Amino acid sequence: EVQLVESGGGLVQPGGSLRLSCAASRSTLSSYYVSWVRQAPGKGLEWVANIKQDGGEKYYVDAVKGRFAMSRDNAKNSFYLQMNSLRVEDSALYYCARITEVPGPHNDYFDTWGQGIRITVSS
Amino acid sequence: SSEVTQPPSVSVSPGQTATFTCSGDKLGASYTSWYQQKPGQSPVLVIYQSTKRPSGIPERFSGSNSGNTATLTISGTQTVDEADYYCQAWDGRNVLFGGGTKLTVL
Repeated sequence: EVQLVESGGGLVQPGGSLRLSCAASRSTLSSYYVSWVRQAPGKGLEWVANIKQDGGEKYYVDAVKGRFAMSRDNAKNSFYLQMNSLRVEDSALYYCARITEVPGPHNDYFDTWGQGIRITVSS
Repeated sequence: SSEVTQPPSVSVSPGQTATFTCSGDKLGASYTSWYQQKPGQSPVLVIYQSTKRPSGIPERFSGSNSGNTATLTISGTQTVDEADYYCQAWDGRNVLFGGGTKLTVL
């Protein structure tokens, strides 16, 4: 069973940058669509970004477009979230997740989640 | 932008049936997934493709979909089921999560 582990979180000032990493063990990620999902303290889940298997297609929630960039390195069985121009409202627990794709539109689901990494944006 | 809506809370007694709804105009064109999240833990998939149950998820969890509303049902609810439950759908390439429903088992 695959295990996902996030790293790279911490405290950053508004306007600063952070890079999150998600490393997989026990299984390869190269054939999977992967994602970042965040959860602000006491709030619900918010999807942030997805990236396809070859890294050629990336999708972002409007709130982070132009500031966040998702990438992956299949040789390292890892993927990343570069977060620039961070805002207080970006403070959250960030989960990396694996998506299982099912043939047909709108069938896919998040089958594996990391334990989450805390990002705090504050002066 | 599209949204999916969930009631904020559901309360049941042990052994009763808990019903969670998820509504949105994109649900009619999308399968729905459901995730359970207990305090301090990561979400866990409990239903995918609207009606399917992953291995390891108890049979008391079931899902259905009708038009623009998806439903998660827990039959014979147990105290261990107390958690937040999130529905998830798709709007094109974007992911939609509902706001979550907190289940209290009294």
